[in-house]
Amino acid sequence: DVKVTQSSRYLVKRTGEKVFLECVQDMDHENMFWYRQDPGLGLRLIYFSYDVKMKEKGDIPEGYSVSREKKERFSLILESASTNQTSMYLCASSHERLLTGENTEAFFGQGTRLTVV
Amino acid sequence: AQSVTQPDIHITVSEGASLELRCNYSYGATPYLFWYVQSPGQGLQLLLKYFSGDTLVQGIKGFEAEFKRSQSSFNLRKPSVHWSDAAEYFCAVRHPTSGTYKYIFGTGTRLKVLA
Repeated sequence: DVKVTQSSRYLVKRTGEKVFLECVQDMDHENMFWYRQDPGLGLRLIYFSYDVKMKEKGDIPEGYSVSREKKERFSLILESASTNQTSMYLCASSHERLLTGENTEAFFGQGTRLTVV
Repeated sequence: AQSVTQPDIHITVSEGASLELRCNYSYGATPYLFWYVQSPGQGLQLLLKYFSGDTLVQGIKGFEAEFKRSQSSFNLRKPSVHWSDAAEYFCAVRHPTSGTYKYIFGTGTRLKVLA
């Protein structure tokens, strides 16, 4: 079974703290993604990475950064947490190279619910 | 602009009734199409996908979806809903070519099932 594992299910952090959310996948996927999910807004892409050390901004990158030093690991960093970053964060991974219809879906972690107080 | 529309934010059905969740997309090419389900507090699980061939695709948990190119739609159906189907459902698309990477999601439809 493909596994995307997020390091925490629940986190509570204080305003101004630096926060690290970690994600690991075991399928040798090229792509990894961080999404934020809020009621009524669906999934919004924060950042994605298509290779080690490569990253691209998504739709809402402000206040976030990412790191991908190894292919299997993708970290989301909140440089200085704020209350408006309280949300559910979802990590996902997918194939890119040799893309066929059979291997095209994204696989998701279980999510991290972050509360900033 | 590329987009995915799920026009129903909430749907309530009785257990045993049939279900159809709507999804329309706006995209330059025929994309790969997906339906995901999310139980409360969980990540997203793939229900089914369409990438080519038969336009009626079968998925897990008794779900099916039909791709209609002329209507740019990919509606999800289930003939008889179970209480355990209560969840949020997301339609998604991505470009069918390597190098395009990104998925576009609809805003979701929350399904409530009445006993």
